[in-house]
Amino acid sequence: DIRLTQSPSSLSASVGDTVTITCRASQSIGNSLNWYQQKSGRAPKLLIFGASSLQSGVPSRFSGSGSGTDFTLTISSLQPDDFATYYCQQSYAIITFGAGTNVEIK
Amino acid sequence: QVQLQESGPGLVKPSETLSLTCSVSGASMFDYFWAWIRQTPGKGLEWVGDISYTGSVSYKPSARSRVTISVDTSMKLFSLTLKSVTAADTAVYYCASRATSGGGQLEHWGQGTLVTVSS
Repeated sequence: DIRLTQSPSSLSASVGDTVTITCRASQSIGNSLNWYQQKSGRAPKLLIFGASSLQSGVPSRFSGSGSGTDFTLTISSLQPDDFATYYCQQSYAIITFGAGTNVEIK
Repeated sequence: QVQLQESGPGLVKPSETLSLTCSVSGASMFDYFWAWIRQTPGKGLEWVGDISYTGSVSYKPSARSRVTISVDTSMKLFSLTLKSVTAADTAVYYCASRATSGGGQLEHWGQGTLVTVSS
């Protein structure tokens, strides 16, 4: 299986901060990388697909970049609604997920 | 809008079979693959498998011997069965729609259902 390593596993940030989360794949996956947001007790919500395409309805402060093995999710001007756990997921091979990054209020 | 809803027992005895159904509304069964994902505190999010409207299936290799996913396009639902369950199968189970192109992203999710394996 392709392993996805997310870093950091958690971070503390303030409203208005810019936050960057990275996801590294154990082998090249092209741009077959997606990002999700999950709040406690809720299902994950798709934010970014194909490494950099913004899902319809998702605020433009979310952006994704990268290809091959290294990917980044950036949240510009963090809002109160953005405090959640974020996961990357690859679909290049058998689908796997990263372990998640918990974004907490500083 | 696209909505998915899981249904099934919340408690299953060890060695028995877990069966869940996902009802789909607001989407054509021909437009997506239909997936099952589970989540545990220990192993995180884990893709179990998915199926197309033709019945073509893909399963997580480690689960292949125990898992069956089926689809009923006329009833707009798909189902998961997992045989010989153990406590390790205790999880929140989600159904989701997976895009057939682009990044293979899981676009729409059900709310999830907790299944506990216990005697």
